[in-house]
Amino acid sequence: EIVLTQSPATLSLSPGERATLSCRASQSVSSYLAWYQQKPGQAPRLLIYDASNRATGIPARFSGSGSGTDFTLTISSLEPEDFAVYYCQQRSNWPDTFGQGTKLEIK
Amino acid sequence: QVQLQESGPGLVKPSETLSLTCTVSGGSISSYYWSWIRQPPGKGLEWIGYIYYSGSTNYNPSLKSRVTISVDTSKNQFSLKLSSVTAADTAVYYCARMLRFYDSSGYYYVRWFDPWGQGTLVTVSS
Repeated sequence: EIVLTQSPATLSLSPGERATLSCRASQSVSSYLAWYQQKPGQAPRLLIYDASNRATGIPARFSGSGSGTDFTLTISSLEPEDFAVYYCQQRSNWPDTFGQGTKLEIK
Repeated sequence: QVQLQESGPGLVKPSETLSLTCTVSGGSISSYYWSWIRQPPGKGLEWIGYIYYSGSTNYNPSLKSRVTISVDTSKNQFSLKLSSVTAADTAVYYCARMLRFYDSSGYYYVRWFDPWGQGTLVTVSS
């Protein structure tokens, strides 16, 4: 089973700042990585798939990059609604696995 | 716009079977794959398995011996049964739809999931 390690566990930033979240895989997942956003009491929402493709309706301030074992989710300029928990997911090997999440909180 | 809604008992006794249903509205359950995912309180997400509308399934090996996912196309629903539950099965259970794309060869499916239901908390306790 592929282990995904997300860092940092918590990221404290202010609106308007740039956020950089990391996801590292225990073995190569090629580009088979996605990012989800989860707000308190809500279901996860797909943001990025195949490492760098934005899902339908996702604002352009969200971008993803990376391949192999190292991936990054970047939010170019934080909006108040972006403060949430972010999870990465791989689908290279079944069972698909998720990272433990990065909580993006308001500083 | 497709919406998913989980339903079922919020409390299950240890050793019994957890049963949940996901109702799909705003679209047909046909020609898609559907999944169950769970999230223990304060922890990360874990795949349970998925099912095609025709009934073919794939389960997480760690749960395979206890899981059954089924589909009822006439009701636009799919269901989860998890047997012999323990406190470790206490979690918010989500249902979700697999992404479907189209190219010159027709439809193909990719194990990214969206949308998801709101989730339902199931507590295992006597």
